Order: sequence, then structure tokens, then C-alpha cells
Amino acid sequence: SQTIHQWPATLVQPVGSPLSLECTVEGTSNPNLYWYRQAAGRGLQLLFYSVGIGQISSEVPQNLSASRPQDRQFILSSKKLLLSDSGFYLCAWSSFGGRTEAFFGQGTRLTVV
Amino acid sequence: KNQVEQSPQSLIILEGKNCTLQCNYTVSPFSNLRWYKQDTGRGPVSLTIMTFSENTKSNGRYTATLDADTKQSSLHITASQLSDSASYICVVSTLSGGYNKLIFGAGTRLAVHP
Repeated sequence: SQTIHQWPATLVQPVGSPLSLECTVEGTSNPNLYWYRQAAGRGLQLLFYSVGIGQISSEVPQNLSASRPQDRQFILSSKKLLLSDSGFYLCAWSSFGGRTEAFFGQGTRLTVV
Repeated sequence: KNQVEQSPQSLIILEGKNCTLQCNYTVSPFSNLRWYKQDTGRGPVSLTIMTFSENTKSNGRYTATLDADTKQSSLHITASQLSDSASYICVVSTLSGGYNKLIFGAGTRLAVHP
């Protein structure tokens, strides 16, 4: 069966520090991968999606970047965190072609102080 | 603009009661509509997924309906339990550039009280 792992679960970082969140998927190959952010009391906002290794598309301009160094690994990064980067970050995957549902990781609660 | 709107924003009901959550969308082209349950601090978990031709789909005590003409969906929860307390998110999928772009509603926060 397919599983998705996302870590860390919680993170408190000072303003201006770097960020690296990692997401890995098991039990499938060539998945579509997504990073979402959920601000308090708001819906999920798509940040990045990837349909293959090294292929990253950004949905909104921001202080973050994403990379996909391996087929089932998706990394969310920032060189210098801002207070506004605080939120709940979710990684998700769906089958190639994206015609089935998306499966989500457990999320990372990021607090920038 | 692709949008998904949910109502009510929050809801409190007593254990054992039924409730219905609403979702209106303006997404084109439409691929499918999903309802997710999200416990606090966790990732969303899928409850139902419906395509254009499906009007009703059930998953235990959860029943989702879809009216593709009026672009409305509802999620009915029967005989609520304390464990139903969570956010319920309506998500409409559209195909864009070969990938499944998901448009999320803001969710309805349901609290079930004993």
C-alpha cells in the first residue's frame, strides 16, 4: 500500500532562518506531488506541484521554493523565513495524470517567531 | 475565477443528531468533487469522491450529494458521534496541464457535543 511521510510535525524557527521540510512517498512510482499551506481559519492553498523529477511549478509567488531530487521525494525550502510563513504545511500525492484522489501527509505546523 | 465556498463556517450539534454541510463551487472544467475530513493538526482524509455523473455517494454515516447543474454539493452526517468533530473540506478538482489541480473550500468546523 502507498504511504506518505512528512516531517517534522512541528517546527519553531526564528525570522531569517532557513527552512527545509521533507516529504516522501512509498508504494507508488512517478506520483504527482504537491505542497499546500493552510493559514489559521483558512482553506488550503496550493504552493507547488511536481509531475516529475526536477519539474516544479509554482502557483503563487512567495518566499518559498520546492525541489524534487528523487521520484518520491519532495522538499519545501526557504533561505530566510518571514513571520508570514507561519502556517500548517501539507504534502500530498496523487497518481500520475492526477485523475484519482489526493492523499495527504500529516502536516507540519511551522511557527516563525 | 475558480472558487469553492462552504457554509456554515462552523456548526455545533448534539451527539446523535444529524447535520448537513453545504458546498457551492464555480470551477471549470469540472473533474470531480471530494469531501475530506480534517482533524485538528492532521492531514485531510478523503470521505467521498464524485464525478460529474454521480448524484449521491455514501460512506458509512456520511452521504454526499452533487448537483452538477447548480454546482452544489452537500455532506450529510447521520447520527453524529463525538469523533465527527473536525473540519470538513469540500474540494473540487479541475484538470490543468495534465495534473489534478485541487480547489479547496475554507471548510466547515463541526463540533459535536455530548
